Amino acid sequence: QSVLTQPPSLSAAPGQKVTVSCSGSNSNIGSNYVSWYQQLPGTAPKLLIYDNYKRPSGIPDRFSGSKSGTSATLDITGLQTGDEADYYCGTWDTSLGVVVFGGGTKLTVL
Amino acid sequence: EVQVMESGGGLVKPGGSLRLSCVASGFTFNSYPMTWVRQAPGKGLEWIASITSTTGQTYYTDSVKGRFTISRDNAQNSLFLQMDSLSAEDTALYYCARSQTTGEILNWGQGTLVTVSS
Repeated sequence: QSVLTQPPSLSAAPGQKVTVSCSGSNSNIGSNYVSWYQQLPGTAPKLLIYDNYKRPSGIPDRFSGSKSGTSATLDITGLQTGDEADYYCGTWDTSLGVVVFGGGTKLTVL
Repeated sequence: EVQVMESGGGLVKPGGSLRLSCVASGFTFNSYPMTWVRQAPGKGLEWIASITSTTGQTYYTDSVKGRFTISRDNAQNSLFLQMDSLSAEDTALYYCARSQTTGEILNWGQGTLVTVSS
């Protein structure tokens, strides 16, 4: 049982937009920055979004993040087959004193 | 280019010990906290420990407290994870990672596999 809640799976067609949600509480998302990670099949995770909405260099602007209250979202527009991956949200939990991740969302681009 | 590379994984019997190492390059190692994250086969990510950049303050998830010890050698750009009293539940791919004080994992290694089995 993950501290942060994500939908286990999502699917969409190429070219479409998908939104991955991440729900938490006041002690984690509500009071700390959220990051998003992409894990392509058989590879290590990669940072996609940090500080709720910032993109590291090299991450296309098709990926965007936002946060409102105790929830965060990752939007991916112009879906490509290469976007098929597991996506994880993460943040610090002030009460637990640990970094917490969501359970991951498996994105299928049909 | 930032690189982190883990080593030291392998097969160990329940109750045994293992020491993971990680060598970093491409950034000022002593300016960043470092973190270990693990991923059990077919499962999600689990943060297990972090260490601050210079004071060496450590943080652990409850499931490894008292059994795992994270440490670093800034002179050698190296991070370590001493794992004792291992159980089957510790079987996972262990990632070394450069992180931020706010918790973001900036860069990940490729992971080293730890298998605990008799």
